[in-house]
Formats: sequence, structure tokens, C-alpha cells
Amino acid sequence: GENVEQHPSTLSVQEGDSAVIKCTYSDSASNYFPWYKQELGKRPQLIIDIRSNVGEKKDQRIAVTLNKTAKHFSLHITETQPEDSAVYFCAAWGRVSSYKLIFGSGTRLLVRP
Amino acid sequence: NAGVTQTPKFQVLKTGQSMTLQCAQDMNHNSMYWYRQDPGMGLRLIYYSASEGTTDKGEVPNGYNVSRLNKREFSLRLESAAPSQTSVYFCASSAGGGTSGSGELFFGEGSRLTVL
Repeated sequence: GENVEQHPSTLSVQEGDSAVIKCTYSDSASNYFPWYKQELGKRPQLIIDIRSNVGEKKDQRIAVTLNKTAKHFSLHITETQPEDSAVYFCAAWGRVSSYKLIFGSGTRLLVRP
Repeated sequence: NAGVTQTPKFQVLKTGQSMTLQCAQDMNHNSMYWYRQDPGMGLRLIYYSASEGTTDKGEVPNGYNVSRLNKREFSLRLESAAPSQTSVYFCASSAGGGTSGSGELFFGEGSRLTVL
């Protein structure tokens, strides 16, 4: 079945440093790969997504890269700030059903002031 | 425009009791989802409904049933609650699926369920 693996499970960086989170997926017919951020006690919210017709997408300090051949995609956060501290989830749509969104297990990012 | 609304926000059950989690969205979305979130396990899909009138199993459907009552509402039922179902449950909706170009999920605030 569909599977999304996410690494690392926890990540601690100094404020101002960069953070990288990586995901691989087993199989997907979808062209859509989103990233969600979940602050403590709150709901997940979309922060950026990428489609397979582009290899990279940037939005201010956040960027996502996609290698569809290798079936992996990564989230890059530059100039990290304490408010970036949260759990980040990657996701990919399932192969059998493009309505079945499967999430990675999450990365807890801590940005130390 | 409330987005996705879940009720109740908190519930404590005894083993064997039943209950229904309610979810409604006011964004005219076609697709709706139920996820559960356990510490360190991420978000696991229980059931989803691609469109009104259809429902399908996700990753962890055992012990649950769902009803897509109409386009707005998607309920999750626990027929005989077990301690292993203690979790935070999130309902979500989207305009379409991953290939439709409108796959962003909008989540409710979550329902924290404890089964004793």
C-alpha cells in the first residue's frame, strides 16, 4: 500500500540556521505533494506544496524540492526563527485513489533562541 | 465562514460505549476525511469520502464507521469504544483530490477522545 517516510523525527537548530526535512513515498499517481505545519495544540495547516511539473518552489524562507524519479521531496527552511518551532508533516496522494492523502510521521522542529 | 467544525471537542468514554463525532464544512468542498493523531504516529487516515454518496476505507478503519450525510456533513462513529481508540480526531475537507489541482486539506480544530 501507499507509504510516506519522513526523516528526521526530531530536529533542533539554532536560530538563524537552516533546517531540512526529507520525505520519500512508495508510489503515487498524483502530481501533488503538500507540507503541513502543526503548532502545539492546534490543527495542521498547509504551508507549501509542489506539483511534479516543477522541481522546486519557494515562498519567502520556505522552499520545497521534488525528485519524482527518486520519489523523494524535501522541505527547506532558511533563517529559522523561534516561531518556526512546530511539527511538520509531508504528505502524498495515494496511488489507488487520488483522494487518499497519506501523511508522513512528522518532524518536531525546535528552534533554539 | 466557519470552515470545518467538529463536535464535541472533548469526550471521555468507558470501554464498550458508543459515540458519534460530527463534522461539518461550509466551503462547498466535495471531499471529506477523518484522521486520528496519536503521539509520535502522525496523522493516520481512518475513512474518507471523495464526494457526496461515497465513502472509502483509509489506513486504520477497524472499529469505526462513517456516514456522509450530505455534502456538508461527515460523521465518524465508534460502535464499541476501546482504550486503543484514545486519540485526537481531526476532520478535514478539500475541494478535490491530488490530481485535481485543488487538493489542500482544511482541518477542524480536533476532538480529543479518551476511552477508559
